Amino acid sequence: DSGVTQTPKHLITATGQRVTLRCSPRSGDLSVYWYQQSLDQGLQFLIQYYNGEERAKGNILERFSAQQFPDLHSELNLSSLELGDSALYFCASSVGSGSYIDEQFFGPGTRLTVL
Amino acid sequence: GDSVTQMEGPVTLSEEAFLTINCTYTATGYPSLFWYVQYPGEGLQLLLKATKADDKGSNKGFEATYRKETTSFHLEKGSVQVSDSAVYFCALTHTGNQFYFGTGTSLTVIP
Repeated sequence: DSGVTQTPKHLITATGQRVTLRCSPRSGDLSVYWYQQSLDQGLQFLIQYYNGEERAKGNILERFSAQQFPDLHSELNLSSLELGDSALYFCASSVGSGSYIDEQFFGPGTRLTVL
Repeated sequence: GDSVTQMEGPVTLSEEAFLTINCTYTATGYPSLFWYVQYPGEGLQLLLKATKADDKGSNKGFEATYRKETTSFHLEKGSVQVSDSAVYFCALTHTGNQFYFGTGTSLTVIP
């Protein structure tokens, strides 16, 4: 158990809908990272927040947005969902703002299925 | 841009066999290199890392050496166990924020 929690574990929805994925980092960790793992694209970095502020951005679509709240939990919002958004979404957390010595701890993921 | 290429899987080995999973990378400068492992139904876990050329990362019997001249970071283990069955990801980062992952290599070890 990494200490990172993600809810829900599974989510099934329809095209065009909007969903929210939630992540609680390990106690004491200030950074939250979001990743998308799909069969065709592999594991892709989406976005990082550090202590409530956006820190780094990867291949995140404009239909997706994220935020980190004062209690440090984070939410990833996915809107106007398409079939291709079906994937496993991972959250990870780390103590610092991100460096090569700053280990990221991954949650178990949320599996999103868009029908 | 930066990228990581891993050998295609799946890989199936008998217990106590020698394991090599190839990883090569494309990047400017001197990134840090990582191997992550994903057990069934779980998130990724850091297995080992190397932050500069010729560094060797090691953990749980796994090793990988950062080879700048061949831009490689191959994962090796001398004697695999059934419990090593998992998906292994090679990754790199320059900043520690944005990681670039390979597509993953699935390993199954049979008794």
